Amino acid sequence: DQQVKQNSPSLSVQEGRISILNCDYTNSMFDYFLWYKKYPAEGPTFLISISSIKDKNEDGRFTVFLNKSAKHLSLHIVPSQPGDSAVYFCAASVTGNQFYFGTGTSLTVIP
Amino acid sequence: EAGVAQSPRYKIIEKRQSVAFWCNPISGHATLYWYQQILGQGPKLLIQFQNNGVVDDSQLPKDRFSAERLKGVDSTLKIQPAKLEDSAVYLCASSLLFYTGELFFGEGSRLTVL
Repeated sequence: DQQVKQNSPSLSVQEGRISILNCDYTNSMFDYFLWYKKYPAEGPTFLISISSIKDKNEDGRFTVFLNKSAKHLSLHIVPSQPGDSAVYFCAASVTGNQFYFGTGTSLTVIP
Repeated sequence: EAGVAQSPRYKIIEKRQSVAFWCNPISGHATLYWYQQILGQGPKLLIQFQNNGVVDDSQLPKDRFSAERLKGVDSTLKIQPAKLEDSAVYLCASSLLFYTGELFFGEGSRLTVL
């Protein structure tokens, strides 16, 4: 069963605009969430995380928002740059144990 | 600092043959993971080691998959016999502290089973 879902397989945005990537989860016990970025032929790289005690975490151009009541998190990239073009995976876990990954969203930033 | 090393990068085998993948984690990382990523899907955890002990292997198909991490450093994942549905990228990752979620992934080993 897919406990973490990314319903948008792809997203295109203009350079300089905001990119919003969404992720939904079903397990209310999840308390730690992460976003990973993956370029072709490379392994995923950690981007940003958030624990369930927060509703927002910011790191430079990247901000993750968590809505526990809706079981939804989102990643905002502002401003988007062509180098941000990659596949983005969200992942969730219970107290840092097994991480469940979504199916990924392919972001294309158009120059 | 050297990253997570994996080999081979690519492997093509016939069904029912066996294959082995090797992983060397980042020095000092106690936790090592093997993930399977089938095309179009997210990575799925196969097995997690803490030092040389298994923490979670609940999703490892134990009738055909095996993994070991001798001496708590590098690790080997074996598939025997392989099936068509095993075609995937096998990702190894390591982390310093298992609960932070900051996994460092290798480039992966792409397996094609014909």
